[in-house]
Amino acid sequence: RKEVEQDPGPFNVPEGATVAFNCTYSNSASQSFFWYRQDCRKEPKLLMSVYSSGNEDGRFTAQLNRASQYISLLIRDSKLSDSATYLCVVNDGRGGKLIFGQGTELSVKP
Amino acid sequence: DAGVTQSPTHLIKTRGQQVTLRCSPKSGHDTVSWYQQALGQGPQFIFQYYEEEERQRGNFPDRFSGHQFPNYSSELNVNALLLGDSALYLCASTRVSDNYGYTFGSGTRLTVV
Repeated sequence: RKEVEQDPGPFNVPEGATVAFNCTYSNSASQSFFWYRQDCRKEPKLLMSVYSSGNEDGRFTAQLNRASQYISLLIRDSKLSDSATYLCVVNDGRGGKLIFGQGTELSVKP
Repeated sequence: DAGVTQSPTHLIKTRGQQVTLRCSPKSGHDTVSWYQQALGQGPQFIFQYYEEEERQRGNFPDRFSGHQFPNYSSELNVNALLLGDSALYLCASTRVSDNYGYTFGSGTRLTVV
């Protein structure tokens, strides 16, 4: 079993759609959780951290369920510029190693 | 305030050769991690350096080695290159007191032929 597993992609959605990404992680001792965005052939960039209470940043909402070891990202009112690969990332709590999921590609069409 | 700088940006090597990749961390950061990202996959952790010592290592063979210098910059060395080493190599830096706020460099794309 992979340490971090994400929905297989790609997701192809029209502009304005709501899209949800899901992720599970295997290490219950994991301490920090993130969503990163990666544009084609570029470096990953932090989209948002994920907290147990849930957090929102504009059109983006992240949720964490520690009991189920499940993380989600919801994007509302998708824009063309949201097209990218979204990476679910977990910090393993042992000195800061980041563990990445394989990524889910999102393509927003006009 | 410069971010993470990696060099070179692209590199083509032949099987069996050796390669050195370089990383300068973001100003104020003291910890450097290296990741390998194969096409279509998420980045995989190679190792992390802090205070010039390897602090943690992922599942990579001994052909992968590194170093951190007193100015916090770092090198990744790969010996006896294999075709499967072709990937984007990412460097990420953080400050150990920052609760894991990482900044990534734009990477070095290594092609082994």
